[in-house]
Amino acid sequence: DQQVKQNSPSLSVQEGRISILNCDYTNSMFDYFLWYKKYPAEGPTFLISISSIKDKNEDGRFTVFLNKSAKHLSLHIVPSQPGDSAVYFCAAITNFGNEKLTFGTGTRLTIIP
Amino acid sequence: NAGVTQTPKFRVLKTGQSMTLLCAQDMNHEYMYWYRQDPGMGLRLIHYSVGEGTTAKGEVPDGYNVSRLKKQNFLLGLESAAPSQTSVYFCASTKGGVQNEQYFGPGTRLTVT
Repeated sequence: DQQVKQNSPSLSVQEGRISILNCDYTNSMFDYFLWYKKYPAEGPTFLISISSIKDKNEDGRFTVFLNKSAKHLSLHIVPSQPGDSAVYFCAAITNFGNEKLTFGTGTRLTIIP
Repeated sequence: NAGVTQTPKFRVLKTGQSMTLLCAQDMNHEYMYWYRQDPGMGLRLIHYSVGEGTTAKGEVPDGYNVSRLKKQNFLLGLESAAPSQTSVYFCASTKGGVQNEQYFGPGTRLTVT
């Protein structure tokens, strides 16, 4: 049972345009969400996070939006750069103190120069 | 700072053999984790530790054991390897729980034949 779903396995975006990566979840107990980025042959690196009490969090070119009623979050990258080409994972936890982070299956983003 | 390192980077085992994966971090982090990543799936938590001398089960603990004898090291053991344990294994650490940024190692690619 995949509780965190990234339905687009891949996405291609022109350099300079906006990249939008989507994530849906089924567990209404999730209350904190994170995005990680992964390059080939490397471990994931943290990108941005959002608490369920917020609907938006911004960090430079990266913005995460959370729609609790739809159980949906999205990561916006503006403008997209070639170095953004990577696999992006969204992840969720049910409450603080619970160390079990549930990851989505990932979306491979390719930025076209 | 080396961050999080994993040893070995690659390993091929025969069914029934045993091995230990070593994870070391030099950031004085309390929390450490072992994940596995399989094709088409997100990272799944195997075991974790919230401090020296403590360990706990994650989502997929069967067939694995762990030890955290020193704060900086987290060992993952396979007592009797099975082909289903063919995977890429990632270790991670964080200062204060998964709601904070996790720092990942580069991964260990394990093949069990």
